[in-house]
Amino acid sequence: AQRVTQPEKLLSVFKGAPVELKCNYSYSGSPELFWYVQYSRQRLQLLLRHISRESIKGFTADLNKGETSFHLKKPFAQEEDSAMYYCALRSNTGFQKLVFGTGTRLLVSP
Amino acid sequence: EAQVTQNPRYLITVTGKKLTVTCSQNMNHEYMSWYRQDPGLGLRQIYYSMNVEVTDKGDVPEGYKVSRKEKRNFPLILESPSPNQTSLYFCASSTSGSNQPQHFGDGTRLSIL
Repeated sequence: AQRVTQPEKLLSVFKGAPVELKCNYSYSGSPELFWYVQYSRQRLQLLLRHISRESIKGFTADLNKGETSFHLKKPFAQEEDSAMYYCALRSNTGFQKLVFGTGTRLLVSP
Repeated sequence: EAQVTQNPRYLITVTGKKLTVTCSQNMNHEYMSWYRQDPGLGLRQIYYSMNVEVTDKGDVPEGYKVSRKEKRNFPLILESPSPNQTSLYFCASSTSGSNQPQHFGDGTRLSIL
């Protein structure tokens, strides 16, 4: 079964602290993984995808096939990072379908 | 501006009264999809469409219908809404090909009383 697990519903940190949002997946084959962010009352936006190996807004995520993980990291959290973060896996059943985790709310306090 | 537009943004209605949520994209994307977002459950796919006149069920299609008569539009139809369809709905579109991100609309909050 294809599944994405985000074990933390809420992650609360202080400004300047490191952040790691966990994402584990189950998938047979080579996965395509994404992180989406949803700021308060806004649409979901693509934050980054594993194939690009990019850093967006200071966030990075490395695909670890051995641990089947795609954790999202940022060394120094900012208040504007407060949002809902969703890890997503592109399914191999259902063309272009994304399987989402249940999301982690990141709260960065001053 | 490239975007996915949903209407209405908010709707409160009653059980059994048919409603349609429209979705339109201006990016000439082949693929369009509807998701519902519920607390603790994340986003779940309702229906998707690979191109004009090609649609298929997602994970939670019960109680919903869709159509894709034109490439840019993908309306979501609730023939007889029920309270368990109270949710936040998102339409998304993308071009075909691997690793192409999906572009989401602003969401439609439906309350079925």
